[in-house]
Amino acid sequence: GQNIDQPTEMTATEGAIVQINCTYQTSGFNGLFWYQQHAGEAPTFLSYNVLDGLEEKGRFSSFLSRSKGYSYLLLKELQMKDSASYLCAVSASNFGNEKLTFGTGTRLTIIP
Amino acid sequence: DTEVTQTPKHLVMGMTNKKSLKCEQHMGHRAMYWYKQKAKKPPELMFVYSYEKLSINESVPSRFSPECPNSSLLNLHLHALQPEDSALYLCASSPIRGVTEAFFGQGTRLTVV
Repeated sequence: GQNIDQPTEMTATEGAIVQINCTYQTSGFNGLFWYQQHAGEAPTFLSYNVLDGLEEKGRFSSFLSRSKGYSYLLLKELQMKDSASYLCAVSASNFGNEKLTFGTGTRLTIIP
Repeated sequence: DTEVTQTPKHLVMGMTNKKSLKCEQHMGHRAMYWYKQKAKKPPELMFVYSYEKLSINESVPSRFSPECPNSSLLNLHLHALQPEDSALYLCASSPIRGVTEAFFGQGTRLTVV
């Protein structure tokens, strides 16, 4: 099976930087995704890591260490609209079947 | 067109009703998924279709019955549901299984009374 852990809640200040961590244990690892989900809405794709290192995409960056089973999402220049849940999701394959499993999600609140 | 469209957006049904949720995408994606999401919980995988064939069933009760009539459509047939089945049902698609970005629909908010 898979075990994906994230902090449940975080608070950060508008204009600041926040790092959301994700640790995972899985076999057949294919890649790690970060999604953003506003309340009552569908998840939207933020980033994807398959190799170790940092992927940067505007105000968002994501890091992966496969040997440590660790990833983080870094959000810079925080805006009020960044208040949302951030979901770490691991893609893994077993017996030829690939699936995307979500972590518990981190509810981020941005304060002025 | 980079959208996954789900209908209806909201559905209220009784425990003896039969209803269907529909999902459509025209991105040429060959993998489609059903997820169930309860309030303040992450999405939980229910079914995966790959090239119109069911490849993963996450031990979902038989009162949920998926169907993939063609590469653009995915249905979820509902029968004899329980109040605890009330949730947001999300459809997603991706170009191939697993290792690519999954695009999500807006979901169907289902309430079983």
